[in-house]
Amino acid sequence: EADIYQTPRYLVIGTGKKITLECSQTMGHDKMYWYQQDPGMELHLIHYSYGVNSTEKGDLSSESTVSRIRTEHFPLTLESARPSHTSQYLCASSTCSIRGPLHFGNGTRLTVT
Amino acid sequence: GEDVEQSLFLSVREGDSSVINCTYTDSSSTYLYWYKQEPGAGLQLLTYIFSNMDMKQDQRLTVLLNKKDKHLSLRIADTQTGDSAIYFCAADGNYQLIWGAGTKLIIKP
Repeated sequence: EADIYQTPRYLVIGTGKKITLECSQTMGHDKMYWYQQDPGMELHLIHYSYGVNSTEKGDLSSESTVSRIRTEHFPLTLESARPSHTSQYLCASSTCSIRGPLHFGNGTRLTVT
Repeated sequence: GEDVEQSLFLSVREGDSSVINCTYTDSSSTYLYWYKQEPGAGLQLLTYIFSNMDMKQDQRLTVLLNKKDKHLSLRIADTQTGDSAIYFCAADGNYQLIWGAGTKLIIKP
């Protein structure tokens, strides 16, 4: 019943490659977020967006970039993947009318070799 | 800065009640949330409580809020093996949710 979709589900890639993690939501939510989470650990906010053409960096320093050209789409790009980027990346969205709740995708598990 | 704290593990017997506790520091938090994460999946919203409420019950889930002590708890009645997961507490901050580190709920047969 997920209304927020992340692809790919799993990705194994070599060091130095450029990758884009996709996130799309069909709920018309204005706010979207990217979190980084090591398995079973706490979430770290790396990017967020209040709406089209709005992007902000989160608390965790990240070498990734994001774009928000359309409301429903919030891709995350790593220009040059490194082993330290190995983690799970979770995309989420919410309405602007209340402070949360967040709706999460199932995540992308990234391994950089 | 704002912080949310939870114990990392809770072990209970199947059929018993589980109580997961959380403390937060931001007294201006309006909404407090409980999310569940099963292995390899994203987070699923379980329930939330508005700060002017003391208690909220939804089937097997009961949320208690002590705003004075900034303490939140989640009680799961008749704990089942399917409840095995990591439970995250979150409080709304200025521009984002402030997350706890998660409590892993372990069910013993």
